[in-house]
Amino acid sequence: QEQLVQSGAEVKKPGASVKVSCKASEYSFTNYYMHWVRQAPGQGLEWMGVINPNSGTTGYAQKFQGRVTMTRDTSTSTVNMELSSLRSEDTAVYYCTRRSPGHYSFDCWGQGTLVTVSS
Amino acid sequence: QSALTQPASVSGSPGQSITISCTGTSSDVGIYNYVSWYQQHPGKAPKLVIYGVSNRPSGVSNRFSGSKSGNTASLTISGLQAEDEADYYCSSYTSSNTPYVFGTGTQVTVL
Repeated sequence: QEQLVQSGAEVKKPGASVKVSCKASEYSFTNYYMHWVRQAPGQGLEWMGVINPNSGTTGYAQKFQGRVTMTRDTSTSTVNMELSSLRSEDTAVYYCTRRSPGHYSFDCWGQGTLVTVSS
Repeated sequence: QSALTQPASVSGSPGQSITISCTGTSSDVGIYNYVSWYQQHPGKAPKLVIYGVSNRPSGVSNRFSGSKSGNTASLTISGLQAEDEADYYCSSYTSSNTPYVFGTGTQVTVL
């Protein structure tokens, strides 16, 4: 069935960058916008941004502007999210999630990638 | 863009019905019928249980139902079961420059 598989956990030092990948399978990759949502330990969900896998066009939450970059590789049905200038507050589980067309909801989620920022 | 407001916790006995509220503003819940609800078990990814205010995805139990009135959306779980114990988050499309906002989350406990 439709699936999103993310890369593994990362440990980074403050000031470093991290890149998380998300590989889609069993559906038409370019037909669904892909979003990134993060969840700090014990906290709620936070929307980070979106990429159109067809055109590569992106949109980011103002909070992450200048620090986040989302890209896609249509040959491997993969989207990537890179976050730079990491700080301890960026410690969180990062999810990629597919937007259901026409409904503005997220109907398929990756398993999550824990990014730990610690000196 | 502030998070949508949900009660921190709701509890009920097996077989009972519970309702979780999700209060937003006239910039999100109040003007769009794009409210969705997600169930999240500990250590797991969220799962869509309601979209478009009141629609259930294929495979989701009909014990889950959604509604909206003004700036407040609601999720009702009827015939509460042990497996329903989880965190629940609402979400809405918004007219702000951050197009999606999530709720603060509600922990559901089955007594």
